[in-house]
Amino acid sequence: EVQVVESGGGVVQPGGSLRLSCATSGFTFSSYAMSWVRQAPGKGLEWVSSIRTTGDNSGDRTYYTDSVKGRFTISRDDSGNILYLQMNNLRAEDTALYFCSKCPRASPYSPTDSWGQGTLVTVSS
Amino acid sequence: DIVMTQSPDSLAVSLGERATINCKSSQSVFYNSNKKNYLAWYQQKPGQPPRLLVSWASTRESGVPDRFSGSGSGTDFTLTISSLQAEDVAVYYCQQYYDTPLTFGPGTKVDIK
Repeated sequence: EVQVVESGGGVVQPGGSLRLSCATSGFTFSSYAMSWVRQAPGKGLEWVSSIRTTGDNSGDRTYYTDSVKGRFTISRDDSGNILYLQMNNLRAEDTALYFCSKCPRASPYSPTDSWGQGTLVTVSS
Repeated sequence: DIVMTQSPDSLAVSLGERATINCKSSQSVFYNSNKKNYLAWYQQKPGQPPRLLVSWASTRESGVPDRFSGSGSGTDFTLTISSLQAEDVAVYYCQQYYDTPLTFGPGTKVDIK
């Protein structure tokens, strides 16, 4: 059974940093692209970032929505089956539930077929 | 960026009746080289993560009841629930994965009339 479990959320002041982690099991992590999607309280879904598989050189390795470029970094540890999202210079508008999600193929140009329960990030002074 | 719109914003349907949700993309999400539409539908119930229902515009995911069906091509897509059940009360989102940034529609809330 595919399992995806996020952690690392919390309350942080504007300008602060957090690193989200996503522990996975039940599938060959290294074979699939992974994504982060967020949902502000009471709002819709917003794609944040995706990362290709390590061995896929068919395009850029990482992708970001414009509002987080230069502030967020997605990475993966294929040996530990963990996905990360390093978030720096956080803003109030980054407040959201952050979901880790698995793509059904190596390319990030994919839907996401497995989701965690999310980890809440609150940016507030 | 590809902008996704959905209609209606919400709808209430009687149990056993048909529910139809529309999704429109600001540009085509049909990829000529593989003849596929890069369009997915998700269901999100309160307090739960989204669930992938349909990918490639019309391919139902494993375990999804066959009352859910996706159709359309290019820029216009539809999710149909043929016979609404109580457990289908949720918000439904379409998403294009043709180009980054991957974008979602604003969602359609489905309730029981």
